[in-house]
Amino acid sequence: ETGVTQTPRHLVMGMTNKKSLKCEQHLGHNAMYWYKQSAKKPLELMFVYNFKEQTENNSVPSRFSPECPNSSHLFLHLHTLQPEDSALYLCASSHVKWGATRNEKLFFGSGTQLSVL
Amino acid sequence: TQLLEQSPQFLSIQEGENLTVYCNSSSVFSSLQWYRQEPGEGPVLLVTVVTGGEVKKLKRLTFQFGDARKDSSLHITAAQPGDTGLYLCAGARGSARQLTFGSGTQLTVLP
Repeated sequence: ETGVTQTPRHLVMGMTNKKSLKCEQHLGHNAMYWYKQSAKKPLELMFVYNFKEQTENNSVPSRFSPECPNSSHLFLHLHTLQPEDSALYLCASSHVKWGATRNEKLFFGSGTQLSVL
Repeated sequence: TQLLEQSPQFLSIQEGENLTVYCNSSSVFSSLQWYRQEPGEGPVLLVTVVTGGEVKKLKRLTFQFGDARKDSSLHITAAQPGDTGLYLCAGARGSARQLTFGSGTQLTVLP
């Protein structure tokens, strides 16, 4: 148990559906992240929030829309996805935004395995 | 070309054997982290190294950061089935404010 909870664990959706991924951290951290993990590819950083403010958007298509209502919760809203968006979506948190120190630790959730049909 | 190259990509060994996996780059990193990811779970941080030549030990795992801070290795002694997982290295160059991950080494330890 890492203190970061993601729901749902698995999600199958059609290309015209709208769904949301949820992440909650119980660690009192101030920074939260969305990563995409595809087979045989490195983890790709998608979004970073620091004290509820979005600080990074790594050229992510607009069909992915993040929301951070408070420092403990992070959502990823999905709409009109493509089959190539099928992947494991990982949420992570850290005490402060990574880069403030060289020793900052990321705590990951178990991920949501997304399949887009 | 990936910033962090991990090798081997796949490794399958018998319980009790020793192994080393590598994380290499042509760039200098200010710090480097190693994570292990078990099936159905997210990555879990094992260690952070920040000084060139640094060696850290975590039970049967030995981590080394290259003198030039361009590479790192993870050595496991007497591997056990519980060591099975995807080992990921991640680092940041200079003043970069994002972690870059390698593709990982998938380790399977057979009983």
